Amino acid sequence: NAGVMQNPRHLVRRRGQEARLRCSPMKGHSHVYWYRQLPEEGLKFMVYLQKENIIDESGMPKERFSAEFPKEGPSILRIQQVVRGDSAAYFCASSPPSGGGYNEQFFGPGTRLTVL
Amino acid sequence: DAKTTQPPSMDCAEGRAANLPCNHSTISGNEYVYWYRQIHSQGPQYIIHGLKNNETNEMASLIITEDRKSSTLILPHATLRDTAVYYCIVRVVTSYDKVIFGPGTSLSVIP
Repeated sequence: NAGVMQNPRHLVRRRGQEARLRCSPMKGHSHVYWYRQLPEEGLKFMVYLQKENIIDESGMPKERFSAEFPKEGPSILRIQQVVRGDSAAYFCASSPPSGGGYNEQFFGPGTRLTVL
Repeated sequence: DAKTTQPPSMDCAEGRAANLPCNHSTISGNEYVYWYRQIHSQGPQYIIHGLKNNETNEMASLIITEDRKSSTLILPHATLRDTAVYYCIVRVVTSYDKVIFGPGTSLSVIP
């Protein structure tokens, strides 16, 4: 069973460009979470999605950032008009659907975004 | 804010047991203790979780005090590959809420 997959692993963008980060959850998982880790800082929650729904976006910056988890395909974190402060590692995690089981989150390897 | 308190850093000799403490004095009755670790530049890795009984798996053991206000993660025979930041987290097991990471403990395993 493949783990959480993220691509690209490394992404370089110039200021003002758009960054699109993709996350494929583990097979059978229907809950996706995005976290951001700024250089030398801890992991911070950004957004929690289920298929076609945003459940909690309390950690998302109000502008330029958006996320989706369509019925088919991976979850996408989109950053418009990137700035140097967006340079960070972005981690995706997934957890299985409800059913009374434990909902530990399984993390992907991350996408390292560098904004020049 | 994180509900746990951990020492910022620890050293452990290779081959010895690493005992990582965590205080969670405000833990609620329906909250479990979870441990994750993050090896440099990698995604966090789930290690173990427990409610009130001691737990053991292939990676580690978790000892929770009777009053549940603190716990210890034990890596029985630390290797260099166990060098990482270890996060102690309390959360409701049936909740799909976000994981709130504190600063964790940076464990250095020394040859």
